Amino acid sequence: NAGVTQTPKFRVLKTGQSMTLLCAQDMNHEYMYWYRQDPGMGLRLIHYSVGEGTTAKGEVPDGYNVSRLKKQNFLLGLESAAPSQTSVYFCASSSGLAGVIEQFFGPGTRLTVL
Amino acid sequence: ILNVEQSPQSLHVQEGDSTNFTCSFPSSNFYALHWYRWETAKSPEALFVMTLNGDEKKKGRISATLNTKEGYSYLYIKGSQPEDSATYLCAFMSGTYKYIFGTGTRLKVLA
Repeated sequence: NAGVTQTPKFRVLKTGQSMTLLCAQDMNHEYMYWYRQDPGMGLRLIHYSVGEGTTAKGEVPDGYNVSRLKKQNFLLGLESAAPSQTSVYFCASSSGLAGVIEQFFGPGTRLTVL
Repeated sequence: ILNVEQSPQSLHVQEGDSTNFTCSFPSSNFYALHWYRWETAKSPEALFVMTLNGDEKKKGRISATLNTKEGYSYLYIKGSQPEDSATYLCAFMSGTYKYIFGTGTRLKVLA
């Protein structure tokens, strides 16, 4: 099993460009999450999904959109990238009842917006 | 705004020393607390999931305790080894599928 994978691993964008980050998991997990990691701050939740076809806003959703068309995939989109979105993005998934089951994290995507 | 604090931010210990660090979280609306181990250039990996006041969990030389009434959890490492060097994260969940992460404690074990 590959676990949680993220594509791409690195990306450099210019301000105003758009891109989509892909998260895939092969563990049949119901719950999936997108976080961003910035220096001096904890992982902050951007959006999450509690099942195929559902999405919800997290702590810092502005400037991002997500989709969960297939259970195994959770896409994070930036429609018009801004330098403030320079960050490392982590995807995570978990099964069963959220909270009592640990999250499994992907390797991260390092995004730089110039 | 819910806040999760971890202390210390970083520490260096000698190989063989035992150490502990703290995660403080809101004492109301507690649902779960997670501990993760995050090595440089890798992904966070779960150590413990704690849900009940008074929970004690152990995995090898690492253990954790939970006090939901006063809002803290301790992580202990007995006989630290260089391979224990990592950032240790805690994440608090208040029952809304959302986790609030602390900024972590960076541990460096010196050989």
